[in-house]
Amino acid sequence: AQSVAQPEDQVNVAEGNPLTVKCTYSVSGNPYLFWYVQYPNRGLQFLLKYITGDNLVKGSYGFEAEFNKSQTSFHLKKPSALVSDSALYFCAVRGTSASKIIFGSGTRLSIRP
Amino acid sequence: EAGVTQFPSHSVIEKGQTVTLRCDPISGHDNLYWYRRVMGKEIKFLLHFVKESKQDESGMPNNRFLAERTGGTYSTLKVQPAELEDSGVYFCASSQHRGEFNSPLHFGNGTRLTVT
Repeated sequence: AQSVAQPEDQVNVAEGNPLTVKCTYSVSGNPYLFWYVQYPNRGLQFLLKYITGDNLVKGSYGFEAEFNKSQTSFHLKKPSALVSDSALYFCAVRGTSASKIIFGSGTRLSIRP
Repeated sequence: EAGVTQFPSHSVIEKGQTVTLRCDPISGHDNLYWYRRVMGKEIKFLLHFVKESKQDESGMPNNRFLAERTGGTYSTLKVQPAELEDSGVYFCASSQHRGEFNSPLHFGNGTRLTVT
């Protein structure tokens, strides 16, 4: 069975500091991994994905994520946080044999000025 | 292009009543997904259409939920009769290519359902 874990309900970071939002997964076969962001009263927006190739994936708004197969992780990172990055972030995974994408419980990122 | 639209944005109904949620995907998108998020928990998969066919409905909680996608365009999700635990935000998402499940999902703004 597929599963995604986001161990932190909330992450607090000062503006200008680097940020990391953690995600671990479990799937059969090779994983396809995604990050989405949700702003208040809006739907989720796609940030980036890992399908194959380079373990470091770059996405929208300066975000990147690193795929680590041995640790089954796909942490979201940004070198310098902005207040406007404050939002709810969801990690998602799909296994090669499945068509559905499974989401985690979300991590609320709060960037203080 | 117009995004994924969901109607209504909010619905408050009493236990035992019926509610129908609608999703209009982006035109030309073959894949349509329904998800639900109960407060503070994961976004739970409900089902996946490829055009008018149900590809995977393993997440549908029980037979009180009925999803349709007639003609492979818009989709409806009916809850009948509604129970308290059905409360949550129902998201619809679509993506472009049939058979290509790694295309990014485009989400609607969700329908917030409250069952009292």
